[in-house]
Amino acid sequence: AQKVTQAQTEISVVEKEDVTLDCVYETRDTTYYLFWYKQPPSGELVFLIRRNSFDEQNEISGRYSWNFQKSTSSFNFTITASQVVDSAVYFCALSEAYEFYFGSGTKLNVKP
Amino acid sequence: DTGVSQDPRHKITKRGQNVTFRCDPISEHNRLYWYRQTLGQGPEFLTYFQNEAQLEKSRLLSDRFSAERPKGSFSTLEIQRTEQGDSAMYLCASSLYLDRGLTFGAGSRLTVL
Repeated sequence: AQKVTQAQTEISVVEKEDVTLDCVYETRDTTYYLFWYKQPPSGELVFLIRRNSFDEQNEISGRYSWNFQKSTSSFNFTITASQVVDSAVYFCALSEAYEFYFGSGTKLNVKP
Repeated sequence: DTGVSQDPRHKITKRGQNVTFRCDPISEHNRLYWYRQTLGQGPEFLTYFQNEAQLEKSRLLSDRFSAERPKGSFSTLEIQRTEQGDSAMYLCASSLYLDRGLTFGAGSRLTVL
């Protein structure tokens, strides 16, 4: 069974639109960590944010915000006022102990 | 700190040949991971080292694959008798504290003809 599900394969928006990337995870552990990574066309995975299972406080960083809800096992990522430079593949990941599981990614296309 | 380095960045080989990839993690990171990524997919776990010990190896890793991390520093991933299905991006990542996530290298792209 998939530990991390990103149901949206590809999303296209026009610049300045808001967009939310969904992530649903599955774990039996009480202690775990959730992450988002960005993979631009250049290919290198870039860390964006981490969250531990005990901290459900939402976080905002500039145009980026994250919504963590344990009740629905979701860790969604919203980009406000999207820009062309946001075009990339975004991966959600779950860490249990030393293991990291990645979703299949959501490709975001931001058109000018 | 120069990040995680991988070499070579690209490798084209003929089926049946052996290839070796090298990863130099961030110097103070004691944990090292190898992942494989194919087009349109997320990274798939291959193997994990803590210092020089290989603690976990994926079922995906056939006997043709072997990884080492001598002295807990750099790591190598060797693929023997390559097959076309081995064509992928091989990613190395390192970490010091697991709750900080992984720092990835730029990857080594393998094309098997």
